[in-house]
Amino acid sequence: SAVISQKPSRDICQRGTSLTIQCQVDSQVTMMFWYRQQPGQSLTLIATANQGSEATYESGFVIDKFPISRPNLTFSTLTVSNMSPEDSSIYLCSAQEGGDGYTFGSGTRLTVV
Amino acid sequence: QKEVEQNSGPLSVPEGAIASLNCTYSDRGSQSFFWYRQYSGKSPELIMFIYSNGDKEDGRFTAQLNKASQYVSLLIRDSQPSDSATYLCAVNDRFETAGNKLTFGGGTRVLVKP
Repeated sequence: SAVISQKPSRDICQRGTSLTIQCQVDSQVTMMFWYRQQPGQSLTLIATANQGSEATYESGFVIDKFPISRPNLTFSTLTVSNMSPEDSSIYLCSAQEGGDGYTFGSGTRLTVV
Repeated sequence: QKEVEQNSGPLSVPEGAIASLNCTYSDRGSQSFFWYRQYSGKSPELIMFIYSNGDKEDGRFTAQLNKASQYVSLLIRDSQPSDSATYLCAVNDRFETAGNKLTFGGGTRVLVKP
């Protein structure tokens, strides 16, 4: 299965700033996904990123707040913009490889102060 | 709104016993089903997936799917303390044009006591 390198692993940011999270996959994958996991909660899908097209956002998430890039089949970034303490969470990227294998990156633990 | 429901637990299981986890889903058109294990502070790791009604076994794990009743379960045989984790059920709307995305349940926390 695909191996995903995600960075940074954690960060503490000032409110009003932005953070870009990167995910690198060791193989070409069609679709990548970005999730948020708040403390003690399950995973909530933010958006789906296909290479060469605009990301598809889930209800409650907008491009201005969470811009995503997908420049090629092995890489994607998620930016958390104009951060507030409510954005403190774990952010995870995931990739679908071939059939139905969905692999996750190691996650980014974000704290906004 | 598609929903995936799990009992949050904790499910306390003696070492060596069978842990039984259940998951129900609301969308009758769901096609494939996944079980993930997540240790505290770590990202989810795939245990197994199942498409067809019936049982699918992989080592100490057995997934059971009943599409008519819209539930999927996971059995963990010979439970070990290292199985203590949160188990996430996920459902994939595989054949939707905007799909191929997973909807996750809230997770069941399992505690295996020595």
